[in-house]
Amino acid sequence: NAGVTQTPKFRVLKTGQSMTLLCAQDMNHEYMYWYRQDPGMGLRLIHYSVGEGTTAKGEVPDGYNVSRLKKQNFLLGLESAAPSQTSVYFCASSSGHRTDTQYFGPGTRLTVL
Amino acid sequence: LAKTTQPISMDSYEGQEVNITCSHNNIATNDYITWYQQFPSQGPRFIIQGYKTKVTNEVASLFIPADRKSSTLSLPRVSLSDTAVYYCLVGDRTGGFKTIFGAGTRLFVKA
Repeated sequence: NAGVTQTPKFRVLKTGQSMTLLCAQDMNHEYMYWYRQDPGMGLRLIHYSVGEGTTAKGEVPDGYNVSRLKKQNFLLGLESAAPSQTSVYFCASSSGHRTDTQYFGPGTRLTVL
Repeated sequence: LAKTTQPISMDSYEGQEVNITCSHNNIATNDYITWYQQFPSQGPRFIIQGYKTKVTNEVASLFIPADRKSSTLSLPRVSLSDTAVYYCLVGDRTGGFKTIFGAGTRLFVKA
């Protein structure tokens, strides 16, 4: 039982390049989330999904797109990376029950030059 | 979603009990209180959750007064490995979803 995994762990992009971050969970959770965390800051919600085929915007969705084609996977895409998107990205999942708690992945450290 | 207020940072020494208080004056009837712990370069990890009175597990205790406008996370006999950021969240999933992590409380445990 791996929990929540993220791919890749590190990535360096040039401004304008695109990339996709992959999140996978093996806990059969309904809800999945993408957060970003800037140095010394708390986590900010980018997008989330309450089930396969659904997505919704969080606090800071601009510049990102997501897809949840399979229940166990949640993809975060950057179509045209900007230096302001340099951050650590965390994926999480939860059961969706009323008192559910979130389980986080190890994070992806992204640098945009 | 109820806003929470926590101290920005706290220092302690090994072996001491640490209490971190979170204010949530606008907590709603259905809201639960959840605390997460985050070590450097790792994702947050669930510590404890409660609705009222006191909850205890193998890691911590959570004290919630009757008016539920605040809560206190208590870490007994901290060690150096408890140095981390602690986040207090308030909310529930009924009727929709949002999660807001504030800046949290940076706890530094000294030898």
